[in-house]
Amino acid sequence: DTAVSQTPKYLVTQMGNDKSIKCEQNLGHDTMYWYKQDSKKFLKIMFSYNNKELIINETVPNRFSPKSPDKAHLNLHINSLELGDSAVYFCASSHPGLRDNEQFFGPGTRLTVL
Amino acid sequence: SQQGEEDPQALSIQEGENATMNCSYKTSINNLQWYRQNSGRGLVHLILIRSNEREKHSGRLRVTLDTSKKSSSLLITASRAADTASYFCATDAGGYALNFGKGTSLLVTP
Repeated sequence: DTAVSQTPKYLVTQMGNDKSIKCEQNLGHDTMYWYKQDSKKFLKIMFSYNNKELIINETVPNRFSPKSPDKAHLNLHINSLELGDSAVYFCASSHPGLRDNEQFFGPGTRLTVL
Repeated sequence: SQQGEEDPQALSIQEGENATMNCSYKTSINNLQWYRQNSGRGLVHLILIRSNEREKHSGRLRVTLDTSKKSSSLLITASRAADTASYFCATDAGGYALNFGKGTSLLVTP
């Protein structure tokens, strides 16, 4: 009955590879997010989707491409991985307008690029 | 863009003591939220205070908001070892995403 789930939890890969992270929420929320947390624990928004439509796209390299097949899923595909992509990636969901945009986070995916 | 700044960056106290963390932000907000992150885990929502509120309580948590100073504080009373975690403030400026600060690492020793 996990509210926001992500797979995989850990991802270790070589530079130049392409990888995907999947996220699913069963809360019925309309809005989903990808955040990146760096080694200093700073958490920054990358993308936000509302009802499968992209509404926020922060300054993120175009090697990162989010995809939302339906409003319960938001996947993140990363091409040509670089060392600097190593971080923890968190998926989150919310229903802005309800509960003042309280966000529910997944457990995170720790990406290590070698 | 980064919005919140927590202070202190790290805090170490003994069980039973109170822990106070502060957060400053830069622009107008709809609400301010506090989250906890245990090591290796996702963030968990603790408490939310709206821009027209000045103080809010939830169990051992007390949060204050001063919009004139653009600052907030989180007080955890009678701390326990299980409170050891990182605490983040996040501001909602009316968009969709939250702007998070860098967090305060709290260590509560028995």
